[in-house]
Amino acid sequence: DAMVIQNPRYQVTQFGKPVTLSCSQTLNHNVMYWYQQKSSQAPKLLFHYYDKDFNNEADTPDNFQSRRPNTSFCFLDIRSPGLGDAAMYLCATSALNRPTDTQYFGPGTRLTVL
Amino acid sequence: GQNIDQPTEMTATEGAIVQINCTYQTSGFNGLFWYQQHAGEAPTFLSYNVLDGLEEKGRFSSFLSRSKGYSYLLLKELQMKDSASYLCAVRDSNYQLIWGAGTKLIIKP
Repeated sequence: DAMVIQNPRYQVTQFGKPVTLSCSQTLNHNVMYWYQQKSSQAPKLLFHYYDKDFNNEADTPDNFQSRRPNTSFCFLDIRSPGLGDAAMYLCATSALNRPTDTQYFGPGTRLTVL
Repeated sequence: GQNIDQPTEMTATEGAIVQINCTYQTSGFNGLFWYQQHAGEAPTFLSYNVLDGLEEKGRFSSFLSRSKGYSYLLLKELQMKDSASYLCAVRDSNYQLIWGAGTKLIIKP
């Protein structure tokens, strides 16, 4: 089955210790997104890639970086996690970025910062 | 600024019908999505509306009025597994998805 996969599902890190979250997709979609979602809040878009074109949201902290080495994989690097970065991180894909294109989400990585 | 408003929480009874409302103010409109999100899981796509009117898909229907900046999700014959958060999201003129905070739906037996 075509899908969006995120690893790990749960990640625990220490304050200030770099962490990398990964996302892969078998949908062959051009667009990949990273969202941060805190409890009972809307998902907050951090970045998206249209193919290799990187788009950073204006209010995404510099502490967050992303890499997309190929169509299938995308990584989220948090260089120095703070307690406020504890959240669910959601990866999503869409075929293109047309109005009708639905975003399909992976299961998410829940990040705990100690 | 851009804004999506949904009730924070609703309660309904198993077997009943519930309507979850969403109002939006966005810079442009290129469609409205409803997603279901169970606790601790990722959102899953439910419906898409871009023209005014009702879209029906099994027990779930979604309605859109662009002139009023308003949509609702109607869930019929509620089941316990429908307990989840329901998120409304609007695609704006830049094709960005603007998300609501979601409505937590609690189903009671």
